[in-house]
Amino acid sequence: AQSVTQLDSQVPVFEEAPVELRCNYSSSVSVYLFWYVQYPNQGLQLLLKYLSGSTLVKGINGFEAEFNKSQTSFHLRKPSVHISDTAEYFCAVTFMNTGFQKLVFGTGTRLLVSP
Amino acid sequence: DVKVTQSSRYLVKRTGEKVFLECVQDMDHENMFWYRQDPGLGLRLIYFSYDVKMKEKGDIPEGYSVSREKKERFSLILESASTNQTSMYLCASSLDSQKGYFGPGTRLTVT
Repeated sequence: AQSVTQLDSQVPVFEEAPVELRCNYSSSVSVYLFWYVQYPNQGLQLLLKYLSGSTLVKGINGFEAEFNKSQTSFHLRKPSVHISDTAEYFCAVTFMNTGFQKLVFGTGTRLLVSP
Repeated sequence: DVKVTQSSRYLVKRTGEKVFLECVQDMDHENMFWYRQDPGLGLRLIYFSYDVKMKEKGDIPEGYSVSREKKERFSLILESASTNQTSMYLCASSLDSQKGYFGPGTRLTVT
């Protein structure tokens, strides 16, 4: 089965603390990996993506993620969060099936940054 | 810049009505997707299409159908709207699966 799992529905954190948002996937085919962010009352914005090459990818707003093939994970990290990072974060995976590609999202993690 | 447009931002329909949600992209993308977004459930894939007249069921296709007669247009159809289809509907397109471009969404309320 092809699926994407975000283990935490909500992550509360204090400003300037580090944060990690977890994402795991299940697949028998190759994948592309993405993190999207959705600020309150706004659309989805791409944070970063992994297609190939270096397993550590850097995105916008100081976020980075690391692809771990053996653990089928793509966790998102930021060393020091700001109040403005409060948003919902979605992990997404493109499953490269024969003949077509299917883009599937996790259920999302709400990051709540407090002062 | 890629543009994905959806025909309506807000829509209110009655139970049993047939509803059409339209999505148009202007960058000649092969892949197009329809999702619904509900609190606590994230984005769930309803249907997707990887070519004209080609369609594949996503994770929650029941109660929906789609049409892709032209490359730029992907329509989502609710044959007989029900209250449990009240949701935010998001359309996306992509080229070579390297990035999904999303429309602004249609908030559908079925009463």
